[in-house]
Amino acid sequence: GAGVSQSPSNKVTEKGKDVELRCDPISGHTALYWYRQSLGQGLEFLIYFQGNSAPDKSGLPSDRFSAERTGGSVSTLTIQRTQQEDSAVYLCATRLAGGPGYEQYFGPGTRLTVT
Amino acid sequence: AQTVTQSQPEMSVQEAETVTLSCTYDTSESDYYLFWYKQPPSRQMILVIRQEAYKQQNATENRFSVNFQKAAKSFSLKISDSQLGDAAMYFCAYRSYAAGAQKLVFGQGTRLTINP
Repeated sequence: GAGVSQSPSNKVTEKGKDVELRCDPISGHTALYWYRQSLGQGLEFLIYFQGNSAPDKSGLPSDRFSAERTGGSVSTLTIQRTQQEDSAVYLCATRLAGGPGYEQYFGPGTRLTVT
Repeated sequence: AQTVTQSQPEMSVQEAETVTLSCTYDTSESDYYLFWYKQPPSRQMILVIRQEAYKQQNATENRFSVNFQKAAKSFSLKISDSQLGDAAMYFCAYRSYAAGAQKLVFGQGTRLTINP
């Protein structure tokens, strides 16, 4: 079946603009994660969705970052008033619900460049 | 909080030879998972191998094997018979067994180059 897909693949935006990044999970995967991969910080967790439960937002770096997941499927990560330090690759990962043994499957990421 | 450290930013190996990538971690938990992920230039993270902390036996997947030393909190990856397609960034990652987000905590990565 299809894997995790993300769009756009690359995004260039001007400082101060808002951007939306999209993640389409593998069908049936109810758990969804966003990670950020930047040169200075490595890979870091941003947010986690599981079914209808309240999301774990503990990794969001500022209130300019938000995410939603509609109907338990597609997720959108929004960055408002982008800053140059937001430049990074944003990775989405999904997995089956249930026990801790289930693998996270990653999408190809969106490379965001803020000029 | 858990941390993962990869002390080798870059490694290189001759094709067909063996290379070992190092990883150490810090945790107060007794149950957890450890992973090695491969990230080629396509950016897609691919799971290479995983180890459950409660298992004493080291995990193996074809040419890939790990040396898991729980007491030392060490988790190295050995790649045997290296192939050109193994060239990539390799990330070591930790995941708690506890209920909750079960997010992955990553090391900084090791860039592996394969010399023909």
